Amino acid sequence: NAGVTQTPKFQVLKTGQSMTLQCAQDMNHNSMYWYRQDPGMGLRLIYYSASEGTTDKGEVPNGYNVSRLNKREFSLRLESAAPSQTSVYFCASSEVGRKQNIQYFGAGTRLSVL
Amino acid sequence: AQSVTQPDIHITVSEGASLELRCNYSYGATPYLFWYVQSPGQGLQLLLKYFSGDTLVQGIKGFEAEFKRSQSSFNLRKPSVHWSDAAEYFCAVASGDTGRRALTFGSGTRLQVQP
Repeated sequence: NAGVTQTPKFQVLKTGQSMTLQCAQDMNHNSMYWYRQDPGMGLRLIYYSASEGTTDKGEVPNGYNVSRLNKREFSLRLESAAPSQTSVYFCASSEVGRKQNIQYFGAGTRLSVL
Repeated sequence: AQSVTQPDIHITVSEGASLELRCNYSYGATPYLFWYVQSPGQGLQLLLKYFSGDTLVQGIKGFEAEFKRSQSSFNLRKPSVHWSDAAEYFCAVASGDTGRRALTFGSGTRLQVQP
């Protein structure tokens, strides 16, 4: 009963390095999301994918790219990491419908950019 | 644009005492409202949700919340707090349109429980 799985759990990068955060869900959900969590700011939406093959920007998309590889997987890429991207990143998925949109979250990836 | 305000950054209660965490939202139409809990180093777990109907909703772990449209509030309550309830609590709202439905979160309330 995995739900939403994120890898890696921890990562340290140097400024300018690139990396991809992976997310996979096994609940057959159409929608997937990437959030970042910073102290005192709650979670803010970076990108989302309403369905396979579509992606859209959220509140804080600058410096990030995403790929919805298939229905299960939604990756987040930092092309040139900056210290301002030090954060905890959460992936979530949901089945959107009139009475749905319950989002299920992964355990998070803690990223430090030095 | 929708927004969520959690006025209390940090709350301390004694074990066995009652708890109320405040949440105010701003959204034009009928909102979908949620409370999530995050234990240290963990992801977010859904406590309860409100979509429509009965304005008093029950959740897991003995929590409940009441939707008050006139006050734009969705406060979380628990009659008797346990030490294991120490965590951070997030209120969130989702838009009602059939498109995006991403969540807008409040900044969170950290709950400390004293023995």
